[in-house]
Amino acid sequence: GENVEQHPSTLSVQEGDSAVIKCTYSDSASNYFPWYKQELGKRPQLIIDIRSNVGEKKDQRIAVTLNKTAKHFSLHITETQPEDSAVYFCAASKGTSYDKVIFGPGTSLSVIP
Amino acid sequence: EAQVTQNPRYLITVTGKKLTVTCSQNMNHEYMSWYRQDPGLGLRQIYYSMNVEVTDKGDVPEGYKVSRKEKRNFPLILESPSPNQTSLYFCASSWSGPNYGYTFGSGTRLTVV
Repeated sequence: GENVEQHPSTLSVQEGDSAVIKCTYSDSASNYFPWYKQELGKRPQLIIDIRSNVGEKKDQRIAVTLNKTAKHFSLHITETQPEDSAVYFCAASKGTSYDKVIFGPGTSLSVIP
Repeated sequence: EAQVTQNPRYLITVTGKKLTVTCSQNMNHEYMSWYRQDPGLGLRQIYYSMNVEVTDKGDVPEGYKVSRKEKRNFPLILESPSPNQTSLYFCASSWSGPNYGYTFGSGTRLTVV
């Protein structure tokens, strides 16, 4: 079945710097790749997603890139702010109704003021 | 307000005592799912449902049951809880399948002693 790996497990950056989190997936049939942000004690929330027919998607300071050949996708956060501190999860699915959504183990991002 | 409602938020129980965690969504979503979150393991899918009366196992279904008798409700049942089921549980729903972003419930912190 699908397996999603995520690196790094922890990441510390200075405020204003960029942060990059990378995920790899094993099932080449996967075609939907969301990213979730989970603040301490809160529920995960969808922040951006990308489908396999797109190579890059951007939303203000957040962008996601997808390399289908290499089976990896990345989250890029520019001009980081303290409120970006959270755990970030990537996920992958094949996009059919009868299918699972597999999450990576998460990356704990700390933005140091 | 569009939301996924889980109850209870916190639950302490004893080994072997049957319990049910309720989940309800008001967005007319077709796809619903249960996850457990454990440190270092991310979010692991327990069961998912594509529509009323249609459910399937995720990656960690052992010891759990679900039902989907109505579109809005997707309860998680632990018929004989054990200490290894101590975890943080999240219910999630999406509009039309695993290829759309999730809305998560607020979580249930379960402790089995």
